[in-house]
Amino acid sequence: KQEVTQIPAALSVPEGENLVLNCSFTDSAIYNLQWFRQDPGKGLTSLLLIQSSQREQTSGRLNASLDKSSGRSTLYIAASQPGDSATYLCAVNSRGSNYKLTFGKGTLLTVNP
Amino acid sequence: ETGVTQTPRHLVMGMTNKKSLKCEQHLGHNAMYWYKQSAKKPLELMFVYSLEERVENNSVPSRFSPECPNSSHLFLHLHTLQPEDSALYLCASSQEGGRWGQETQYFGPGTRLLVL
Repeated sequence: KQEVTQIPAALSVPEGENLVLNCSFTDSAIYNLQWFRQDPGKGLTSLLLIQSSQREQTSGRLNASLDKSSGRSTLYIAASQPGDSATYLCAVNSRGSNYKLTFGKGTLLTVNP
Repeated sequence: ETGVTQTPRHLVMGMTNKKSLKCEQHLGHNAMYWYKQSAKKPLELMFVYSLEERVENNSVPSRFSPECPNSSHLFLHLHTLQPEDSALYLCASSQEGGRWGQETQYFGPGTRLLVL
């Protein structure tokens, strides 16, 4: 059974700092890994999707890496802004699970002005 | 309206009530999903519909009954719920519901449910 762990559970940084969020998964046989953002009381917004054959994806100030063999992914946020404050969720789509995404519990990020 | 919408946004119900959650997607997608997000727990998939056919029921109790009358609408009918069913219920959609999970899922804002 796939399990996804996100560390740290919460992170508070000053504005402008570069930061890294971590995600690990137990079963390396995955199709893809996704990073989502969730604002308080709201739904999820997809940030980046990395296919199993890829090593990284970039979108603006965000860069996500994937090391499938070690079961790890990182989300790098450059020059953080208060508007980046949200919960960041990692989810993997595993072989044999078809539509089922397995989510981590998320990292609550607070960027202080 | 664009994207994925959900109504109501907030719902309080007693354990003997019957209520329904509604989801509508305006993206022309063929697959729709119900997720449950409880406090301190990871997001859990409940149901998946592809082309109006249920293709996944993730061991969900029968007090939750989904309905997908067409590819744009998805309902979750609730009856005789328990307090532990209180959670944020999220709807999502994707283009094809592709077998190999290649797609991005687009989420609605959720319905915050409180069962008393």
